[in-house]
Amino acid sequence: DQQVKQNSPSLSVQEGRISILNCDYTNSMFDYFLWYKKYPAEGPTFLISISSIKDKNEDGRFTVFLNKSAKHLSLHIVPSQPGDSAVYFCAASWGSQGNLIFGKGTKLSVKP
Amino acid sequence: DGGITQSPKYLFRKEGQNVTLSCEQNLNHDAMYWYRQDPGQGLRLIYYSQIVNDFQKGDIAEGYSVSREKKESFPLTVTSAQKNPTAFYLCASRGTGYTGELFFGEGSRLTVL
Repeated sequence: DQQVKQNSPSLSVQEGRISILNCDYTNSMFDYFLWYKKYPAEGPTFLISISSIKDKNEDGRFTVFLNKSAKHLSLHIVPSQPGDSAVYFCAASWGSQGNLIFGKGTKLSVKP
Repeated sequence: DGGITQSPKYLFRKEGQNVTLSCEQNLNHDAMYWYRQDPGQGLRLIYYSQIVNDFQKGDIAEGYSVSREKKESFPLTVTSAQKNPTAFYLCASRGTGYTGELFFGEGSRLTVL
């Protein structure tokens, strides 16, 4: 039973446009959410996080939105760049020190 | 530079052999984790340790063992009991504090021949 779901295995976007990656969760106890970026044969790197007391967190080109009533979060990348092409994982935990539960990832391709 | 070092990066093993993957961190983090990544499966937790000399099973611990004798080291042994060991293995650590993100190593690719 997947507690964190990324229903789109892949996404293709034109350079300069917005990329929107989506994530749904089922466990209402989750209160801390993170996005990671991963290149092939490398470890994931942390991008941005949000706690459940907020509905938006922004860091440069990256913004995460949280809709608690819908149990949905999304990562917006504006503007998208070819170097953003990677697999993006959504993760959730109960408390900032709880074990992270990861989604299966979405492969983003940004075309020049 | 502070970080997490995994070795070896690539490892080949014959069926029936145990192998040990190394993970060392110099971030002074208390918690360490082992994840496994398979194509289309995301990251699944194998074992984790919140403190030295203590560790807990994750979601897919069968066929694996760990030890945590030192704060900076958390080796993972893939035993012959693991039915499908070919995968990409990731070690991570986390410090205490509000921002609970994990810091990952570069990963180890294990292939069973």
